[in-house]
Amino acid sequence: GAVVSQHPSRVICKSGTSVKIECRSLDFQATTMFWYRQFPKQSLMLMATSNEGSKATYEQGVEKDKFLINHASLTLSTLTVTSAHPEDSSFYICSASKDSLRGLYGYTFGSGTRLTVV
Amino acid sequence: DAKTTQPPSMDCAEGRAANLPCNHSTISGNEYVYWYRQIHSQGPQYIIHGLKNNETNEMASLIITEDRKSSTLILPHATLRDTAVYYCIVRVAGVYNQGGKLIFGQGTELSVKP
Repeated sequence: GAVVSQHPSRVICKSGTSVKIECRSLDFQATTMFWYRQFPKQSLMLMATSNEGSKATYEQGVEKDKFLINHASLTLSTLTVTSAHPEDSSFYICSASKDSLRGLYGYTFGSGTRLTVV
Repeated sequence: DAKTTQPPSMDCAEGRAANLPCNHSTISGNEYVYWYRQIHSQGPQYIIHGLKNNETNEMASLIITEDRKSSTLILPHATLRDTAVYYCIVRVAGVYNQGGKLIFGQGTELSVKP
């Protein structure tokens, strides 16, 4: 199958600190990775799209200096929430895709990271 | 981007077929229809996708109308574990039809009841 691992599953941090979330494709090399954010009782909102070795493409309204995305290899993308504030508390979810596997597995999602900023 | 419209909620009796409709009247010829579901506090799970033809896998069937303006996801024998939010998504094609991204709508909250 196509498995995506996301770590950590839960994190609590103090206001003003930075938090890094990792997204790994375990058994395939991801052509593209995506980062979403989900607030309670709402749908997933796409934040950015990243391709290995190139800069991420951010959706309108998403602050690129606050949400740093690094896609250094075909199996790893990281999202760093810088200078986190309570309003950044949310459920962050990554997704990975490989063109040749999409016909079988679609876009595979991680299990999400619950971020709480206190 | 093609938008999708789904009923906000549906109920289904356990063991019966669950038919979840989706309207995507502005879909383009090269855009796929994807279905995902999300159980509370988990990442979305891929169910099925299609372009023009009806599709079936071990989880569900996807029926796409001939004009491609709507589709129906069918869970043939719903169980309590199928209770989730179901998202119908039209995939925005990327450059050279590669990549592309999934934009989620509000989905349908399906409750399977005993």
